[in-house]
Amino acid sequence: SQQGEEDPQALSIQEGENATMNCSYKTSINNLQWYRQNSGRGLVHLILIRSNEREKHSGRLRVTLDTSKKSSSLLITASRAADTASYFCATVVDTGGFKTIFGAGTRLFVKA
Amino acid sequence: GAGVSQSPRYKVAKRGQDVALRCDPISGHVSLFWYQQALGQGPEFLTYFQNEAQLDKSGLPSDRFFAERPEGSVSTLKIQRTQQEDSAVYLCASSFGVAGELFFGEGSRLTVL
Repeated sequence: SQQGEEDPQALSIQEGENATMNCSYKTSINNLQWYRQNSGRGLVHLILIRSNEREKHSGRLRVTLDTSKKSSSLLITASRAADTASYFCATVVDTGGFKTIFGAGTRLFVKA
Repeated sequence: GAGVSQSPRYKVAKRGQDVALRCDPISGHVSLFWYQQALGQGPEFLTYFQNEAQLDKSGLPSDRFFAERPEGSVSTLKIQRTQQEDSAVYLCASSFGVAGELFFGEGSRLTVL
C-alpha cells in the first residue's frame, strides 16, 4: 500500500523555470522525506522535514509541510536539465517501529 | 564498499523457480528495508528490520516471500515458486537510525519468464 499521493503525475518544464510537486498523505507522520530517482537507479535522499516543522530549504530545494492538511510540497527553483528524474515523497509512520512508505511519484522532465 | 550493495543486479528465473536476493547494508546501519518497484511506479513497502528483528512484514505479497537478517547486517529476500507478477525491481535500503534518511542500493531486477 502507498500512503502518499503525488501531484502532478508528470511535469514538463523549460530549463530555468521552477517546478512544484505536491504530496498528500493519510495518517499521522513522524517526518516526511523527498527522494529523487534517475531512470534505472536507486533512490537518493533529498530532504527531510519533521512533523513539527513547516518549511525547510536545501540549496535550490524548498519543502513545506502542512500537517493539518496532511500535505507537503517540493519546489525546485531555477531547474536544470540534470533535474530530470522521478521525485517521490515518503512518510515515516510509527507502527511500533518506524516504517517509511513511498508515494507513486512525479516524473519531471526539464527541457534544455 | 561505502554504500548499500545488492546482488544480483539482474536475475532471470523460470516460473516456479526459487530466487534469493541479497542486500549488504552500510556497516552499522540499524534499519533495513525491502521495497518492490514496478516499472513507472513508486517503491512498494515489503518489510523492514531493526537489527535482526523483523518489525513489519505486512507488505509481503504472499507466503512465497520471505526475508531474513539473522545477524543484523546482511539481509536476504527469498521468493519461492516465482510467478510472472513477481517481475519487478527489488530495492533494499538501510538507515543509521530508526526514522531517518534511507540509503538505497541500485536494486535487483527480477524477470520471471
